[in-house]
Amino acid sequence: KQEVTQIPAALSVPEGENLVLNCSFTDSAIYNLQWFRQDPGKGLTSLLLIQSSQREQTSGRLNASLDKSSGRSTLYIAASQPGDSATYLCAVDSNYQLIWGAGTKLIIKP
Amino acid sequence: KAGVTQTPRYLIKTRGQQVTLSCSPISGHRSVSWYQQTPGQGLQFLFEYFSETQRNKGNFPGRFSGRQFSNSRSEMNVSTLELGDSALYLCATSPGSANTEAFFGQGTRLTVV
Repeated sequence: KQEVTQIPAALSVPEGENLVLNCSFTDSAIYNLQWFRQDPGKGLTSLLLIQSSQREQTSGRLNASLDKSSGRSTLYIAASQPGDSATYLCAVDSNYQLIWGAGTKLIIKP
Repeated sequence: KAGVTQTPRYLIKTRGQQVTLSCSPISGHRSVSWYQQTPGQGLQFLFEYFSETQRNKGNFPGRFSGRQFSNSRSEMNVSTLELGDSALYLCATSPGSANTEAFFGQGTRLTVV
């Protein structure tokens, strides 16, 4: 049974810092891995999709990597801003469903 | 290009009632998935439909059901509501083939009293 874990559960850093969020999964048989952002009380915004054959994807200040063999993904956020404050969730796509981590709640202090 | 539309945005229902939630996908998307989000359990998969066929189902009781129409719009129904069904219900759509990005609606916030 696929299980997804995100570490840390919460993170508070001053504005301008570079930071790394971690996601691990137990079964390497995945189609892809997606990172999402969720603002309080809102839906999910897709940030990056890494297909199973890829090693990393970049979008602006965000970079996500995938190491299927070790069951790990990282989301790197460069030069963090207060607007980056949100909960970040990773999900692995397996058999027509997304299996989710519990999320990392990120607070960027001005 | 319009995004994923979920209606209604908010619902308050009484225990024992039933409820129907709707999801209209992005144009051209044929796969619709439903998820339940609660503070205690996080995000959990309910079911996925593609071309009106359910391809996968999560571990929820039979009170939770869904369907998809020929225009790819989907509905989910919860019968005999319980207090524990209070949650944010999210719908995701994608083109339908494997390895494609999922896009989410804003969700329906269901409160059972």
